[in-house]
Amino acid sequence: DVVMTQTPPSLSVAIGQSVSISCKSSQSLVHSDGKTYLNWLLQNPGQSPKRLIYQVSNLGSGVPDRFSGTGSEKDFTLKISRVEAEDLGVYHCVQATHVPHTFGSGTKLEIK
Amino acid sequence: EVQLVESGGGLVQPGRSLKLSCAASGFTFSNYYMAWVRQAPTKGLEWVASITNSGGSTYYRDSVKGRFTISRDNAKSTLYLQMDSLRSEDTATYYCSLQFAYWGQGTLVTVSS
Repeated sequence: DVVMTQTPPSLSVAIGQSVSISCKSSQSLVHSDGKTYLNWLLQNPGQSPKRLIYQVSNLGSGVPDRFSGTGSEKDFTLKISRVEAEDLGVYHCVQATHVPHTFGSGTKLEIK
Repeated sequence: EVQLVESGGGLVQPGRSLKLSCAASGFTFSNYYMAWVRQAPTKGLEWVASITNSGGSTYYRDSVKGRFTISRDNAKSTLYLQMDSLRSEDTATYYCSLQFAYWGQGTLVTVSS
């Protein structure tokens, strides 16, 4: 199984600051079709997850452009510029290239 | 607007069965792979099973193979998860997901005597 190593496990940030979350995979996430199926999700407290980023760097529908994703092969980063209060929650990376699909262990973002 | 509404969760004894349903609307259900993902209390997300748009192929995580069955009824736009021989470690909120892009509200399954 592909292991997704997500860091840091938690962050505390002031409103307006920028943060980055890392996700590293144990295998390349490039699919045989040439695409890289790496998603970033946000789970606000008590809510279902919602997708922020798909295929490494594509912004999901309705997602503010304060969120951005970069990376390739086995090394991926989610950046949040100008953090807002609504950004608190747990961020998850998930790979959909290989079966079983696997998730990172999550990064809990708290607002100072 | 895409909507996914799960139902069927509840309290069940170890070794018993439960069937979850996910009613989909707002998109052409028969065109898309669907998945079940679960989250044990205070834990992370865990993929459980996926099914192709036609239902012709299914995929499972090892810990549920032979016990869980994912299926779909495209005429009813509904996804199912039949869970047999349930164990305490299957206790979780189960989410229906459209390619990780859209998620239902989840349904809680508690396996306990």
